[in-house]
Amino acid sequence: EPEVTQTPSHQVTQMGQEVILRCVPISNHLYFYWYRQILGQKVEFLVSFYNNEISEKSEIFDDQFSVERPDGSNFTLKIRSTKLEDSAMYFCASSEWARYSNQPQHFGDGTRLSIL
Amino acid sequence: DQQVKQNSPSLSVQEGRISILNCDYTNSMFDYFLWYKKYPAEGPTFLISISSIKDKNEDGRFTVFLNKSAKHLSLHIVPSQPGDSAVYFCAASAYGSSNTGKLIFGQGTTLQVKP
Repeated sequence: EPEVTQTPSHQVTQMGQEVILRCVPISNHLYFYWYRQILGQKVEFLVSFYNNEISEKSEIFDDQFSVERPDGSNFTLKIRSTKLEDSAMYFCASSEWARYSNQPQHFGDGTRLSIL
Repeated sequence: DQQVKQNSPSLSVQEGRISILNCDYTNSMFDYFLWYKKYPAEGPTFLISISSIKDKNEDGRFTVFLNKSAKHLSLHIVPSQPGDSAVYFCAASAYGSSNTGKLIFGQGTTLQVKP
């Protein structure tokens, strides 16, 4: 069964450094998402991406965050200057089609980001 | 943000019995609801969904019920198996002119199925 894959599984970074989290969504999916889960808290929406542009972003997704689909398969989340509070599990998700149709999102296994 | 709430942090049931997980929501614009299962060190796995035009959806051992007037949904697992032990998340989405499919999650309920 097709799945969303994320790399790396664990990333340790010094505060202030840039980090790039990578995702390969399911190949025929058109909508892409990033969520995060801080330890002990809910899974929170960060950003949705469709047709090579951001379709919605949350208040968490400030200027330090960016997303990109550099080629036909990868979807990346970049944090420019990491802060301690960016430590969380980051999940990538994709869905086949969202607008005007109900389609479930399928999640990767996540990247655990630890900021020191 | 308390738009989706799972008030029971944990639930323990005996193998073979029914597990009922509950979820409440406050946003009347939500019209698509999903249940995900999550094992430690893995991502959420999609289980079953329901749109607001239905009040029940069934897939094997899993049934989701939606009560729109009460803004309540539940997931029934019958019969429960030890492999069902995991964290279960309820999620909701609002479809409309600005639909992006953004999911709002509940806090999760940890289900333990005892052999």
